[in-house]
Amino acid sequence: SFELTQPPSVSVSPGQTASITCSGETLWDKNVCWYQQKPGQSPVLVIYQDTKRPSGIPERFSGSNSGNTATLTISGTQAMDEADYYCQTWWDSSTAEVFGGGTKLTVL
Amino acid sequence: EVQLAESGGALVQPGGSLRLSCAASGFTFSNYWVTWVRQAPGKGLEWVANINQDGSEKYYVDSVKGRFTISRDNARNSLYLQVNSLRAEDTAVYYCARDLRAVYAMTLVSYFDYWGQGTLVTVSS
Repeated sequence: SFELTQPPSVSVSPGQTASITCSGETLWDKNVCWYQQKPGQSPVLVIYQDTKRPSGIPERFSGSNSGNTATLTISGTQAMDEADYYCQTWWDSSTAEVFGGGTKLTVL
Repeated sequence: EVQLAESGGALVQPGGSLRLSCAASGFTFSNYWVTWVRQAPGKGLEWVANINQDGSEKYYVDSVKGRFTISRDNARNSLYLQVNSLRAEDTAVYYCARDLRAVYAMTLVSYFDYWGQGTLVTVSS
């Protein structure tokens, strides 16, 4: 079965750049999206189709996808960005949708 | 404003059944795929099932095949998930989400742009 692998946790200082990775076999050939989930809240889409930001998502959120790794980058990280982040892709018609295990971003 | 509102979650015994509902508003429901995603307590997101615009295509994660059934009623702007033969590991918050998909550069783009607030299913004796 197909799996997406994320680091369990990432720490960053306020104002610095945070990078969260998502790895999977031949991921470069897929379209990856990212969700932010704060405690007690529903997930929010922050990046889709590897690099695109939905309306209302700050410009400090960006995405990339190369080789077997997709990356969510948060530039100038703010305390409000502290949350869990999940990558997701459609793999194939048998497996369908897959989420990564999630990364807890701590801003300290 | 796009809104999705789940209902139907409850405490149920192992082997029991429930029907989860998701009421959609603020968009033309019949034009979109919709999906169910669940999250066990303290765990990550797990995609469960999705359905296309007219209900002719349905997909499920392996762990629920044969036990869960996704359906929709476009006249009522509603999505459903019939969950049978429930197990302790099905305990989770169940979210419905609007499922955007398109073909881009010969590959499928799929993402969930609006989510409901979730409904809790607890399987315990």
